[in-house]
Amino acid sequence: DVKVTQSSRYLVKRTGEKVFLECVQDMDHENMFWYRQDPGLGLRLIYFSYDVKMKEKGDIPEGYSVSREKKERFSLILESASTNQTSMYLCASSPGGLAAYEQYFGPGTRLTVT
Amino acid sequence: GENVEQHPSTLSVQEGDSAVIKCTYSDSASNYFPWYKQELGKGPQLIIDIRSNVGEKKDQRIAVTLNKTAKHFSLHITETQPEDSAVYFCAATNYGQNFVFGPGTRLSVLP
Repeated sequence: DVKVTQSSRYLVKRTGEKVFLECVQDMDHENMFWYRQDPGLGLRLIYFSYDVKMKEKGDIPEGYSVSREKKERFSLILESASTNQTSMYLCASSPGGLAAYEQYFGPGTRLTVT
Repeated sequence: GENVEQHPSTLSVQEGDSAVIKCTYSDSASNYFPWYKQELGKGPQLIIDIRSNVGEKKDQRIAVTLNKTAKHFSLHITETQPEDSAVYFCAATNYGQNFVFGPGTRLSVLP
């Protein structure tokens, strides 16, 4: 079974803090993704990575950055957390290549910024 | 860019009845259309998907249909059971990188 784990299920941070969300997958997947999920808006792509040290902006990258130093690990960084970044954050991975698009999601991190 | 709409936003059915959720997309280059089920407190889980070279796919009680001309695809669940109650998301992507999701449908199956 593919396993995608996220470092925290719940996180409370203060405005202005630097926040790190970690994601690890154990299936040697090429692609990794970070989404945020808000009621009525579905999942919106923040960043994705198709290889180590590679990253691509998604639909809402402002206020976020990412790091992928190892194939299995993809980190989302909030440089200076703001209250409008309170949300559920979901990490996903997929095998990559032209034939393998299936995404596998982690359980999510519910971040509250006060 | 791609835009995905999903209807209805909420759906209640009696146990044993069928449920249908519809999505439309805007980018004719999209070629992969997955459906995810998200239960409370969990991440989304892929339940079925379809590629643009196929019109219909079925897996037990779940089926997906795709109309490329009209740019819409639908999820069909037959013989619904209480454990089908969840939020369902459709998505579209071009070659598996930039996925665009619909806003979700909350399905309630009433016993």
